[in-house]
Amino acid sequence: QEKVQQSPESLIVPEGAMVSLNCSFSDSASQSIWWYQQHPGKGPKALISIFSNGNKKEGRLTVYLNRASLHVSLHIKDSQPSDSAVYLCAVILNSNNRIFFGDGTQLVVKP
Amino acid sequence: EAAVTQSPRNKVTVTGGNVTLSCRQTNSHNYMYWYRQDTGHGLRLIHYSYGAGNLQIGDVPDGYKATRTTQEDFFLLLELASPSQTSLYFCASSELGEQFFGPGTRLTVL
Repeated sequence: QEKVQQSPESLIVPEGAMVSLNCSFSDSASQSIWWYQQHPGKGPKALISIFSNGNKKEGRLTVYLNRASLHVSLHIKDSQPSDSAVYLCAVILNSNNRIFFGDGTQLVVKP
Repeated sequence: EAAVTQSPRNKVTVTGGNVTLSCRQTNSHNYMYWYRQDTGHGLRLIHYSYGAGNLQIGDVPDGYKATRTTQEDFFLLLELASPSQTSLYFCASSELGEQFFGPGTRLTVL
Protein backbone atom coordinates (compact mmCIF):
# COMPACT_ATOMS: atom_id res chain seq x y z
CA GLN A 1 0.00 0.00 0.00
CA GLU A 2 1.37 3.37 -1.04
CA LYS A 3 2.09 5.84 1.78
CA VAL A 4 1.86 9.52 0.99
CA GLN A 5 3.05 11.99 3.62
CA GLN A 6 2.78 15.75 3.40
CA SER A 7 4.50 18.52 5.28
CA PRO A 8 3.96 20.91 6.86
CA GLU A 9 0.48 20.20 8.22
CA SER A 10 -0.31 23.89 8.12
CA LEU A 11 1.31 27.08 6.96
CA ILE A 12 0.54 30.77 7.40
CA VAL A 13 2.29 33.26 5.10
CA PRO A 14 1.90 36.94 4.18
CA GLU A 15 0.52 37.87 0.79
CA GLY A 16 3.23 37.83 -1.88
CA ALA A 17 5.36 35.18 -0.17
CA MET A 18 6.73 32.10 -1.92
CA VAL A 19 5.03 28.95 -0.59
CA SER A 20 6.71 25.53 -0.55
CA LEU A 21 4.75 22.34 0.11
CA ASN A 22 6.32 18.91 0.43
CA CYS A 23 5.18 15.38 -0.28
CA SER A 24 6.97 12.06 0.10
CA PHE A 25 5.78 8.71 -1.22
CA SER A 26 6.84 5.11 -0.78
CA ASP A 27 6.59 3.44 -4.20
CA SER A 28 9.16 4.37 -6.84
CA ALA A 29 6.91 2.71 -9.48
CA SER A 30 4.37 5.50 -9.14
CA GLN A 31 3.00 6.57 -12.49
CA SER A 32 2.31 10.21 -11.79
CA ILE A 33 2.00 12.72 -8.99
CA TRP A 34 -0.86 15.21 -8.77
CA TRP A 35 -1.51 18.24 -6.60
CA TYR A 36 -5.10 19.14 -5.73
CA GLN A 37 -6.52 22.29 -4.14
CA GLN A 38 -9.55 22.10 -1.86
CA HIS A 39 -11.47 25.13 -0.62
CA PRO A 40 -13.77 24.79 2.41
CA GLY A 41 -17.01 22.99 1.59
CA LYS A 42 -15.85 22.08 -1.93
CA GLY A 43 -14.48 19.02 -3.66
CA PRO A 44 -10.76 18.88 -4.47
CA LYS A 45 -9.70 20.25 -7.85
CA ALA A 46 -6.58 19.21 -9.76
CA LEU A 47 -3.93 21.92 -10.06
CA ILE A 48 -0.89 20.37 -11.69
CA SER A 49 0.65 16.98 -12.36
CA ILE A 50 4.10 15.61 -13.10
CA PHE A 51 5.18 12.29 -14.61
CA SER A 52 8.94 12.55 -15.16
CA ASN A 53 11.86 13.50 -12.96
CA GLY A 54 12.56 17.20 -13.00
CA ASN A 55 10.33 20.21 -12.82
CA LYS A 56 7.24 21.61 -14.48
CA LYS A 57 6.02 25.20 -14.41
CA GLU A 58 2.48 26.45 -14.96
CA GLY A 59 1.83 30.10 -14.20
CA ARG A 60 2.66 30.77 -10.53
CA LEU A 61 3.01 27.03 -9.82
CA THR A 62 6.18 24.95 -10.09
CA VAL A 63 6.40 21.30 -9.17
CA TYR A 64 9.65 19.35 -8.64
CA LEU A 65 9.84 15.56 -8.72
CA ASN A 66 12.80 13.50 -7.54
CA ARG A 67 12.02 9.78 -7.95
CA ALA A 68 15.32 8.70 -6.39
CA SER A 69 14.43 10.41 -3.10
CA LEU A 70 10.68 9.68 -3.49
CA HIS A 71 9.92 13.36 -3.02
CA VAL A 72 7.82 15.96 -4.79
CA SER A 73 7.32 19.62 -3.91
CA LEU A 74 4.90 22.32 -5.01
CA HIS A 75 5.94 25.97 -5.02
CA ILE A 76 3.49 28.83 -5.31
CA LYS A 77 5.03 32.14 -6.31
CA ASP A 78 3.54 35.49 -5.23
CA SER A 79 0.87 33.87 -3.05
CA GLN A 80 -2.57 35.46 -2.86
CA PRO A 81 -5.33 35.29 -0.21
CA SER A 82 -7.36 33.31 -2.75
CA ASP A 83 -4.68 30.60 -2.59
CA SER A 84 -5.80 29.87 0.99
CA ALA A 85 -6.97 26.26 0.87
CA VAL A 86 -5.97 22.69 1.67
CA TYR A 87 -3.43 21.25 -0.78
CA LEU A 88 -3.50 17.50 -1.36
CA CYS A 89 -0.72 15.44 -2.88
CA ALA A 90 -1.85 12.33 -4.79
CA VAL A 91 0.15 9.45 -6.23
CA ILE A 92 -1.09 7.11 -8.97
CA LEU A 93 0.50 3.67 -9.15
CA ASN A 94 1.56 2.05 -12.42
CA SER A 95 0.49 -1.39 -11.29
CA ASN A 96 -3.25 -0.90 -10.81
CA ASN A 97 -4.09 2.74 -11.55
CA ARG A 98 -4.94 3.24 -7.86
CA ILE A 99 -4.63 6.75 -6.47
CA PHE A 100 -3.46 7.50 -2.93
CA PHE A 101 -3.86 10.86 -1.23
CA GLY A 102 -1.86 12.50 1.52
CA ASP A 103 -3.62 14.17 4.45
CA GLY A 104 -3.02 17.63 3.06
CA THR A 105 -1.42 20.96 4.00
CA GLN A 106 -3.66 23.79 5.20
CA LEU A 107 -2.39 27.05 3.68
CA VAL A 108 -3.47 30.47 4.91
CA VAL A 109 -2.28 33.55 3.01
CA LYS A 110 -2.82 36.71 5.06
CA PRO A 111 -3.50 40.01 3.25
CA GLU B 1 -15.26 20.69 -18.15
CA ALA B 2 -16.02 17.45 -16.32
CA ALA B 3 -19.23 17.46 -14.32
CA VAL B 4 -19.90 15.29 -11.30
CA THR B 5 -23.04 15.80 -9.25
CA GLN B 6 -24.01 14.28 -5.92
CA SER B 7 -27.27 13.99 -4.04
CA PRO B 8 -28.36 14.66 -1.44
CA ARG B 9 -25.94 17.42 -0.36
CA ASN B 10 -26.83 16.96 3.28
CA LYS B 11 -28.38 14.00 5.06
CA VAL B 12 -29.22 13.28 8.69
CA THR B 13 -30.22 9.78 9.75
CA VAL B 14 -30.36 7.71 12.91
CA THR B 15 -28.26 4.76 13.98
CA GLY B 16 -29.44 1.68 12.11
CA GLY B 17 -30.98 3.71 9.33
CA ASN B 18 -30.71 2.99 5.62
CA VAL B 19 -28.96 5.60 3.43
CA THR B 20 -28.21 5.81 -0.28
CA LEU B 21 -25.85 8.42 -1.68
CA SER B 22 -26.04 9.08 -5.41
CA CYS B 23 -23.41 10.23 -7.88
CA ARG B 24 -23.72 11.02 -11.58
CA GLN B 25 -21.00 11.99 -14.03
CA THR B 26 -21.62 13.25 -17.55
CA ASN B 27 -18.10 12.87 -18.96
CA SER B 28 -18.11 9.27 -20.17
CA HIS B 29 -15.29 8.46 -17.74
CA ASN B 30 -14.72 4.80 -17.03
CA TYR B 31 -13.52 5.14 -13.44
CA MET B 32 -15.71 6.31 -10.57
CA TYR B 33 -14.82 6.49 -6.87
CA TRP B 34 -16.38 6.99 -3.45
CA TYR B 35 -14.30 8.63 -0.72
CA ARG B 36 -14.90 9.76 2.81
CA GLN B 37 -13.06 12.73 4.27
CA ASP B 38 -12.53 13.17 7.99
CA THR B 39 -10.34 15.55 9.93
CA GLY B 40 -6.98 13.92 10.54
CA HIS B 41 -7.50 11.19 7.94
CA GLY B 42 -7.61 12.98 4.62
CA LEU B 43 -9.42 11.29 1.74
CA ARG B 44 -10.00 7.57 2.19
CA LEU B 45 -11.19 5.35 -0.65
CA ILE B 46 -14.30 3.29 0.09
CA HIS B 47 -15.14 1.65 -3.26
CA TYR B 48 -14.43 2.27 -6.91
CA SER B 49 -15.50 0.98 -10.29
CA TYR B 50 -14.13 0.91 -13.80
CA GLY B 51 -17.42 0.42 -15.60
CA ALA B 52 -21.07 -0.49 -15.35
CA GLY B 53 -21.53 -3.60 -13.23
CA ASN B 54 -17.95 -3.53 -11.96
CA LEU B 55 -17.03 -2.93 -8.31
CA GLN B 56 -13.64 -2.80 -6.61
CA ILE B 57 -12.99 -2.66 -2.89
CA GLY B 58 -11.11 0.32 -1.56
CA ASP B 59 -9.26 0.87 1.70
CA VAL B 60 -12.18 1.40 4.12
CA PRO B 61 -15.08 -0.71 2.74
CA ASP B 62 -16.57 -2.05 5.99
CA GLY B 63 -20.21 -1.03 6.43
CA TYR B 64 -20.55 0.18 2.85
CA LYS B 65 -21.91 -1.32 -0.34
CA ALA B 66 -21.74 0.25 -3.76
CA THR B 67 -23.32 -0.32 -7.12
CA ARG B 68 -22.50 1.03 -10.58
CA THR B 69 -25.70 0.77 -12.59
CA THR B 70 -24.58 2.64 -15.71
CA GLN B 71 -21.44 4.37 -16.87
CA GLU B 72 -22.91 7.59 -15.45
CA ASP B 73 -24.31 6.46 -12.09
CA PHE B 74 -22.55 5.18 -8.97
CA PHE B 75 -24.36 4.65 -5.66
CA LEU B 76 -23.07 4.20 -2.12
CA LEU B 77 -25.30 2.28 0.29
CA LEU B 78 -25.17 2.30 4.07
CA GLU B 79 -27.63 -0.40 5.20
CA LEU B 80 -27.18 -0.08 8.96
CA ALA B 81 -25.74 3.37 9.50
CA SER B 82 -23.56 3.95 12.56
CA PRO B 83 -22.28 7.20 14.14
CA SER B 84 -18.74 6.31 12.96
CA GLN B 85 -20.00 6.84 9.40
CA THR B 86 -20.69 10.51 10.06
CA SER B 87 -18.45 12.14 7.48
CA LEU B 88 -18.13 14.17 4.29
CA TYR B 89 -18.49 11.89 1.26
CA PHE B 90 -17.06 12.67 -2.16
CA CYS B 91 -17.64 10.99 -5.47
CA ALA B 92 -15.13 11.35 -8.30
CA SER B 93 -14.68 10.24 -11.88
CA SER B 94 -11.47 9.93 -13.83
CA GLU B 95 -9.80 9.13 -17.06
CA LEU B 96 -6.05 9.26 -17.67
CA GLY B 97 -5.18 10.13 -14.09
CA GLU B 98 -6.93 13.41 -13.23
CA GLN B 99 -9.86 12.95 -10.87
CA PHE B 100 -12.92 15.20 -11.07
CA PHE B 101 -14.76 15.51 -7.77
CA GLY B 102 -18.37 16.21 -6.95
CA PRO B 103 -19.41 18.84 -4.38
CA GLY B 104 -19.75 16.31 -1.55
CA THR B 105 -22.50 14.97 0.71
CA ARG B 106 -22.37 15.70 4.40
CA LEU B 107 -23.84 12.74 6.29
CA THR B 108 -24.69 12.84 9.99
CA VAL B 109 -25.67 9.66 11.82
CA LEU B 110 -27.25 10.38 15.19
